[in-house]
Amino acid sequence: GIQVEQSPPDLILQEGANSTLRCNFSDSVNNLQWFHQNPWGQLINLFYIPSGTKQNGRLSATTVATERYSLLYISSSQTTDSGVYFCAVNLYGGYQKVTFGTGTKLQVIP
Amino acid sequence: DAGVIQSPRHEVTEMGQEVTLRCKPISGHNSLFWYRQTMMRGLELLIYFNNNVPIDDSGMPEDRFSAKMPNASFSTLKIQPSEPRDSAVYFCASSLGLTNQPQHFGDGTRLSIL
Repeated sequence: GIQVEQSPPDLILQEGANSTLRCNFSDSVNNLQWFHQNPWGQLINLFYIPSGTKQNGRLSATTVATERYSLLYISSSQTTDSGVYFCAVNLYGGYQKVTFGTGTKLQVIP
Repeated sequence: DAGVIQSPRHEVTEMGQEVTLRCKPISGHNSLFWYRQTMMRGLELLIYFNNNVPIDDSGMPEDRFSAKMPNASFSTLKIQPSEPRDSAVYFCASSLGLTNQPQHFGDGTRLSIL
């Protein structure tokens, strides 16, 4: 099956710092989503981004489908950004059988 | 707008008991997904439905697991009999359409089997 790798696995940031999270996938995908799982366990949909660039406040994401990767940018990080960030993809031509990456655990310290 | 609603939020029961998890998708969404999250295996897709019909249940771990969607606004995931290794957080998600649509997750059910 498709492999989804995220890096780094763990990240500690000082509040106010910027960061880039990466998601690599091994096959052509129909869509890609970024999720934030907060410390309470809730999965929040951040971006639906099969290709191109999107921005939402301090967060932005870029997917280069031809090169099989996506990046999530967090600027001016806040303690509320702490949690685990997942990317999730499904194969081109496939139905919604989504495969999640292993996640990046982010801790933002004051 | 109401999101995906799951119940119960927490369930603690003894092994051997039947467990039923419930999900109400977002109104108008016609695809529904059940996931399981554990430390060891991360987030795994168990089964998904489109227009109340199961499309792919290859992620269901054993015959002890079953899922139904009797109508567009309700789904259940049952485990019978339950075992300690079934302890996990179970998420339900829904989307509008079967392809190329974002999935929206419920808050999950944290299941502990003693």
